[in-house]
Amino acid sequence: DQQVKQNSPSLSVQEGRISILNCDYTNSMFDYFLWYKKYPAEGPTFLISISSIKDKNEDGRFTVFLNKSAKHLSLHIVPSQPGDSAVYFCAAQRDSGGGADGLTFGKGTHLIIQP
Amino acid sequence: DTAVSQTPKYLVTQMGNDKSIKCEQNLGHDTMYWYKQDSKKFLKIMFSYNNKELIINETVPNRFSPKSPDKAHLNLHINSLELGDSAVYFCASSHHRNTNYGYTFGSGTRLTVV
Repeated sequence: DQQVKQNSPSLSVQEGRISILNCDYTNSMFDYFLWYKKYPAEGPTFLISISSIKDKNEDGRFTVFLNKSAKHLSLHIVPSQPGDSAVYFCAAQRDSGGGADGLTFGKGTHLIIQP
Repeated sequence: DTAVSQTPKYLVTQMGNDKSIKCEQNLGHDTMYWYKQDSKKFLKIMFSYNNKELIINETVPNRFSPKSPDKAHLNLHINSLELGDSAVYFCASSHHRNTNYGYTFGSGTRLTVV
């Protein structure tokens, strides 16, 4: 009953190129989608989010795209930098009036930026 | 000036023991959470808590109990530890009206039950 899926355990991208991380979800009740970045031995850090009423949100080098009909979102990082090497988690939540349901996470994608 | 801090960072203990993990946030958030990252790397919510309600993930054994002395603290107490409890536990906090701006996580506590 994995409601948020990241089907690529790892992704290797050359420095300066675009990194595209994908995420699929099954629960149509999700209203917000978030991306987190995690380094080893640290907690996840919030990167960018998108509401279900939007199809794109951009913040510097990071852009998240949402295709609600396909229940698919993606994170684009351009240009990719060595410091972007980390595990990226896709997460989703329902607008339950306070987020008390918490986040539902994918399994993560390990992004490796090659010099 | 760490926003969400957890202690200890590492905890090794024997089966059957009772242990606690502490969490404190200085962000003024009103909701706190405990997440568990198991061996398969899934991050799953265990509890969410604000001063109004405690929501428990129904899959969490009742050996786990959150204790909140005040809004800035949410400790996790575990009774009769089992081998399967070995995992990394993350505390997080948010403002309940702005969770779409992201939760702030602590750095995690790696619990090893032997």
